Amino acid sequence: AQSVTQLDSHVSVSEGTPVLLRCNYSSSYSPSLFWYVQHPNKGLQLLLKYTSAATLVKGINGFEAEFKKSETSFHLTKPSAHMSDAAEYFCVVSDSDSSASKIIFGSGTRLSIRP
Amino acid sequence: DAMVIQNPRYQVTQFGKPVTLSCSQTLNHNVMYWYQQKSSQAPKLLFHYYDKDFNNEADTPDNFQSRRPNTSFCFLDIRSPGLGDAAMYLCATSRRPSGATTDTQYFGPGTRLTVL
Repeated sequence: AQSVTQLDSHVSVSEGTPVLLRCNYSSSYSPSLFWYVQHPNKGLQLLLKYTSAATLVKGINGFEAEFKKSETSFHLTKPSAHMSDAAEYFCVVSDSDSSASKIIFGSGTRLSIRP
Repeated sequence: DAMVIQNPRYQVTQFGKPVTLSCSQTLNHNVMYWYQQKSSQAPKLLFHYYDKDFNNEADTPDNFQSRRPNTSFCFLDIRSPGLGDAAMYLCATSRRPSGATTDTQYFGPGTRLTVL
């Protein structure tokens, strides 16, 4: 069965410093992996996705993530945090047992940005 | 722009009074999903439609029903809302997957339901 673990429930960084949000996955095959962002009282916006092409995936708003099969990780990074990055971030893995693109969510990481 | 639209954005209902939430999409996707998200939690899948085929999650209460009259629209009906049903309800869509590929889910902005 597939699963995803977000290692930090809350991350706080200063504006202009790097961001690292950690995600580990468990899958019996080569999965599809996603990062979504959710601002308060908003829906989920796709940041980026990995689907077995390049292992370094670039997303919107300067975010990127690297798929590391040996470490079963898909950490999200950004070189320089902006105040507008403050939000909840979800790491998501595809559910191979599903016929209709079902996905499995991590528990989320709340990113806070200090001025 | 192609998108997923949810109406209303905020809905207030009374305990036990039926309520319907609406979702529409201009993406022409085959699959539509309804999620429930409570405060500080990840979204929880309630059910999904794969074209006209309805797929209920095993732990979704009978109080929650859904209708999909055509490709573009999907409704979430809560027959007798309880205080515990207060949450954000998210609609999402995806294309029909080919083989083992999982296609991306695109989410609407959500409807915040308050139960008084």
